[in-house]
Amino acid sequence: AQKITQTQPGMFVQEKEAVTLDCTYDTSDPSYGLFWYKQPSSGEMIFLIYQGSYDQQNATEGRYSLNFQKARKSANLVISASQLGDSAMYFCAMRVYNNNDMRFGAGTRLTVKP
Amino acid sequence: ETGVTQTPRHLVMGMTNKKSLKCEQHLGHNAMYWYKQSAKKPLELMFVYSLEERVENNSVPSRFSPECPNSSHLFLHLHTLQPEDSALYLCASTKERAGGYEQYFGPGTRLTVT
Repeated sequence: AQKITQTQPGMFVQEKEAVTLDCTYDTSDPSYGLFWYKQPSSGEMIFLIYQGSYDQQNATEGRYSLNFQKARKSANLVISASQLGDSAMYFCAMRVYNNNDMRFGAGTRLTVKP
Repeated sequence: ETGVTQTPRHLVMGMTNKKSLKCEQHLGHNAMYWYKQSAKKPLELMFVYSLEERVENNSVPSRFSPECPNSSHLFLHLHTLQPEDSALYLCASTKERAGGYEQYFGPGTRLTVT
């Protein structure tokens, strides 16, 4: 069975600093995708970044990068140069390619302090 | 704006009422999802429709009834709900293809059952 774990219920970071949000996963399937989503207080889930299990390089999208360590089954999100607008809930998710089930972690609430 | 819309954004209903939630996407996606997000719980997948056929039903109570008349529209019919069904209901869509993909979410419907 697939499982996603986010162990940090809340994180604080100073504006303009970098922050790492942790995510570990568990699956026996070799083909899967890992995703990070941002959910501001408005409620909408915003896709941030994707990493495929066979991708050789870590994914990057602007200020977001995914630190993918396959052997450790971790997919941490790194946000560089934090901005006040980054304050939100962040969810890690995984989907096995031959399955429609997208599993989400419990989320981490990030607060950026001025 | 992700291209996935949901109506209504807020809904208050009594336990004896019948209401429907609507989701619409014009992104050319061929799979649509209903999720339930309760306070302090991970996002729960409720239903998956792929090519307009239901392929996943994660043991959701029968008081929730999905309908997918075409690839652009998805409904969630509600009847005789319970107070514990109060939650944010999120719709998502994705284009099923080999390799990487992501789900695009709507803004959600905040449901309160009184």
